[in-house]
Amino acid sequence: AQKITQTQPGMFVQEKEAVTLDCTYDTSDQSYGLFWYKQPSSGEMIFLIYQGSYDEQNATEGRYSLNFQKARKSANLVISASQLGDSAMYFCAINGGFKTIFGAGTRLFVKA
Amino acid sequence: DADVTQTPRNRITKTGKRIMLECSQTKGHDRMYWYRQDPGLGLRLIYYSFDVKDINKGEISDGYSVSRQAQAKFSLSLESAIPNQTALYFCATSDDPGQLKETQYFGPGTRLLVL
Repeated sequence: AQKITQTQPGMFVQEKEAVTLDCTYDTSDQSYGLFWYKQPSSGEMIFLIYQGSYDEQNATEGRYSLNFQKARKSANLVISASQLGDSAMYFCAINGGFKTIFGAGTRLFVKA
Repeated sequence: DADVTQTPRNRITKTGKRIMLECSQTKGHDRMYWYRQDPGLGLRLIYYSFDVKDINKGEISDGYSVSRQAQAKFSLSLESAIPNQTALYFCATSDDPGQLKETQYFGPGTRLLVL
C-alpha cells in the first residue's frame, strides 16, 4: 500500500521569498513516481513537477524544485521567489505504476 | 477547448436521487479516473478504467458506479445519493500507461451538494 503524508495544513510566505512544502511517503514499491499538483481557488488541478525514484538529480521546473531524499522517503516541494499567484492548495502524490495516491494537501498563502 | 470536460459543473440534488456525472476527453488517453475531494482528505480514488473494457474499484467505490461508454467518455453514477457524498468530483486522464511518470490531467471538477 502507498501513503502520502503532508503535515502542514497551511503555510504563509512573504512574496518573493522561498517556501518549502513538506511531503513524506510510504511505499513498498521499488520503483515509483512522485508528483506535485497545484489547485488554485478556481478549483482546477494543475501538474507541477515529477520525480522518479531512480532519478539521481532533483527535479526542477522553473521556480519549482523537488527536494528528493529517498532514504528519508521525503519529496518536499520548494517554490522560489513566491508570487501572489502561488496562493493555492498543493498536493503531493505517488504512483507505483497502477494508480496515483494523493496527500491531504497544504494550503499556501502568499503575503504581499 | 478544454481537453477534459465535466458536466455538470455544479449540481444540487436530494437524498435518494440517482444522478450521473459525465466526463469527456479529447486527449486520446486510455486511462480515466474518478476522484472525490473533501476538505482535509485530499483526493480519493473512486473508480478507474484502463481501457473501454476495463473497470476497477478505487478506495471508496461503495455507493458509486461507472460506465466507460467509449475511450473518450467515462461516467460516474450515484445510485441513491446521500448527504455524505457532497463533495467536489474530478475526472482525470493519464498518459504513459504502465509507466511511473503517469501525469494526471484533470477536468474542472463538479461540485455536488446532496440535501
